[in-house]
Amino acid sequence: QKEVEQNSGPLSVPEGAIASLNCTYSDRGSQSFFWYRQYSGKSPELIMSIYSNGDKEDGRFTAQLNKASQYVSLLIRDSQPSDSATYLCAVNRDQAGTALIFGKGTTLSVSS
Amino acid sequence: AAGVIQSPRHLIKEKRETATLKCYPIPRHDTVYWYQQGPGQDPQFLISFYEKMQSDKGSIPDRFSAQQFSDYHSELNMSSLELGDSALYFCASSLLGQDNYGYTFGSGTRLTVV
Repeated sequence: QKEVEQNSGPLSVPEGAIASLNCTYSDRGSQSFFWYRQYSGKSPELIMSIYSNGDKEDGRFTAQLNKASQYVSLLIRDSQPSDSATYLCAVNRDQAGTALIFGKGTTLSVSS
Repeated sequence: AAGVIQSPRHLIKEKRETATLKCYPIPRHDTVYWYQQGPGQDPQFLISFYEKMQSDKGSIPDRFSAQQFSDYHSELNMSSLELGDSALYFCASSLLGQDNYGYTFGSGTRLTVV
């Protein structure tokens, strides 16, 4: 079982709709959780981080974390065509110098 | 603001050749991570360094080696290249103790082995 699981998609939503991206992780010791956006052929770009249970909002993005269920999600409100990309969920065990573990990513397509 | 610098941006090598990829972290960042991303795949962690010492190791082949130098830049050395090594190689950096703010990735090196 992969440590970080995501539905690969594609997830298709119309412009202006809410896109919901989900991620589960297997290591209960995980402490930090991240969502990266990656356009084809480009490097991952950090868009959200979350460490505590509950919701964290930043503009059109809301990250949700439920450690008991080992589940983290990303909501994108008022989706725009420019949001079309692959969204990578990443988890950090928070031990010094240890690496982020990524999921395979969910491809989001926003149609105008 | 300064970002993570990787060079070269593109590299074409033949099978069994060697390649060296370079990474210059954000100034004052002390930790460097190397990732390999094949087509349609998620980034796979290879290796990381903190203060010039290896801090974590992932799925790095024995044919690969890496180090971090006194100026904190890092180099990934790849020998006996195989077709399957063709991928995007990303370097990321962070400041220990601020890892939970996420890493900043460089633009990557696209390696093509022919």
